[in-house]
This record gives sequence, structure tokens and C-alpha cells, in this order.
Amino acid sequence: EAQVTQNPRYLITVTGKKLTVTCSQNMNHEYMSWYRQDPGLGLRQIYYSMNVEVTDKGDVPEGYKVSRKEKRNFPLILESPSPNQTSLYFCASSPRGRGYPDTEAFFGQGTRLTVV
Amino acid sequence: GDSVTQMEGPVTLSEEAFLTINCTYTATGYPSLFWYVQYPGEGLQLLLKATKADDKGSNKGFEATYRKETTSFHLEKGSVQVSDSAVYFCALSEWAGGTSYGKLTFGQGTILTVHP
Repeated sequence: EAQVTQNPRYLITVTGKKLTVTCSQNMNHEYMSWYRQDPGLGLRQIYYSMNVEVTDKGDVPEGYKVSRKEKRNFPLILESPSPNQTSLYFCASSPRGRGYPDTEAFFGQGTRLTVV
Repeated sequence: GDSVTQMEGPVTLSEEAFLTINCTYTATGYPSLFWYVQYPGEGLQLLLKATKADDKGSNKGFEATYRKETTSFHLEKGSVQVSDSAVYFCALSEWAGGTSYGKLTFGQGTILTVHP
């Protein structure tokens, strides 16, 4: 079954304790992204990756890191989490477009992170 | 930059009522437009899409028409069901030149609750 898998689904942590949220896709997609979802703001892109070893900042990258060492995996790293990073996080993947941006994005089930 | 504005929510309807969720966008080029749906506890999934002016996307009884002259992509359904209760996101993806990479710009989301 084609899917994007995130872990963990729920996480409560303390300020400053490094954490990693994993994301894996089994569709051989080139593009992967991380979004955060906050009430009234919709989803905002944190980082994206166009292929292995190619990553770039999205709209709200501060306080986050990512890596893309393998095509299927795209972990999100919070080196020193703070309470303002409490949010619902989604990983997404999509295939390379063929000249126009109509390709569907596939989303993981989300990770609800609380930083206290 | 690109932006998407959705009607304020939440929206509460009785079963079999008519649904409209308004969506307007701002983009520098010629975007593709999408509606994504998020059921409780799940990730987002594509509901429908349209890639050029006057295209109509449709799925599961939902429809939306790409209106370039009014920069709108309103979601409609003639008769909603309890199972349609979810959060609905309007989104756009704009070609960045060369091969598109699939960044989505989302509206803030509209919570729909349908009562029996």
C-alpha cells in the first residue's frame, strides 16, 4: 500500500530536549516536505527536499533541521524545542512534476508535538 | 507571494443541506488549485483538483470550478452527509520553472460539521 509513515504520532517533551520525528514514504517520490498546522493558519511549509542530499527552507524554518540521506526518508529534527513549536506536523511526498504543478501530494497521519 | 483565503468557519449543516466553502487566491503566475480534506485523526488527502481556467474538479459529489477572472475555486456539494464532517483546505501549487517541485500554499482550513 502506498503510504507516508510518520513516527511518533504523539509526543510530549520538555524545552531544550532534542527530538527527531521520522518520515518514510514507499512510493519512490522525489519531493518531500514538512508542514506544521496551527489553528487559523492552515499548513505552512517548514522544509522541503527535491531529492537525496537536496534540501531547502520553506516558509517557517527557524528552529528546525532536516536531512535527506535516502530517497525514502526525510526526518525532522528539533535541536532545542521551545513551546512555540507545539503544533501538529505533517510530512508529505509527491512525484516529480512534468512541467506543471498538478501532482498530488501524499500526507502522513501527523505528529502532535507538545513542548512544555 | 502566493496566498489562499478561505471563508471563516466553522460551518455547521444538517444532513442533505447544500454546501459552499469559498476560496480565493493570489498568485503571480498560473497555479494549479486543489481541495484537500482532513478527517478526524488523519492526514490530508486530495479531494479534487483543477489545473487551468474553467476546469471543473469533482469527486465524491464535491465540485469546484477554476475561475481565473475572479481568482476563485469555491467548493460545493449538493447534499452533504454526516460522513463529510471534516476540515477542508483549499491550496495552490505554482510552477517554479523547469520541473515543478510541488510546494503547496494552503488556506487556513474550514471545519465542517454535519448533523443528522
